[in-house]
Amino acid sequence: SQQGEEDPQALSIQEGENATMNCSYKTSINNLQWYRQNSGRGLVHLILIRSNEREKHSGRLRVTLDTSKKSSSLLITASRAADTASYFCATNDYKLSFGAGTTVTVRA
Amino acid sequence: DTEVTQTPKHLVMGMTNKKSLKCEQHMGHRAMYWYKQKAKKPPELMFVYSYEKLSINESVPSRFSPECPNSSLLNLHLHALQPEDSALYLCASSQTGQGSNTGELFFGEGSRLTVL
Repeated sequence: SQQGEEDPQALSIQEGENATMNCSYKTSINNLQWYRQNSGRGLVHLILIRSNEREKHSGRLRVTLDTSKKSSSLLITASRAADTASYFCATNDYKLSFGAGTTVTVRA
Repeated sequence: DTEVTQTPKHLVMGMTNKKSLKCEQHMGHRAMYWYKQKAKKPPELMFVYSYEKLSINESVPSRFSPECPNSSLLNLHLHALQPEDSALYLCASSQTGQGSNTGELFFGEGSRLTVL
């Protein structure tokens, strides 16, 4: 069963704009990970943030983690058409469980 | 390009058939995973192998039978499947599969299964 719930379910933005999506979860975690999936393909790991970290950056990605609120956010800055994909958070207690995902469409 | 290779990419089978999905990785990872993904849904964990031993079975029906012949290979044997088993089956690997210390998962492109 999935642990993470993501918000929004879908997001449509113009190229160059920022995209923000949120993930909430229920139990204590060791780490939280974000993955991207292009339509019908495998998942690609984007970033991992540990429970003792609050913020992490990777290129145009910024992830925050608030363990007191059991929530995380993923920010994609200066979006490109190639960022069009589904984005999943995955929480790690004793196994990696994926949230419902956010579908992001970047319009040219 | 993914370093986890899954074959076949597409599989169509009848409910009485026996088939297998195969997964291979050469990254020296010691944990391998099978996930099932239905359309517009997140991946759902089926099985985890850690150091070639089955460590997690998420109450998967016995018509799905995993096998890990060695640390680089993972198979999923399929028998007497139902149409509702049609889905994308994703294989993944990680350096270790030590429960909550599991790091990044590397996914294959998946095998799309259709059961008629």
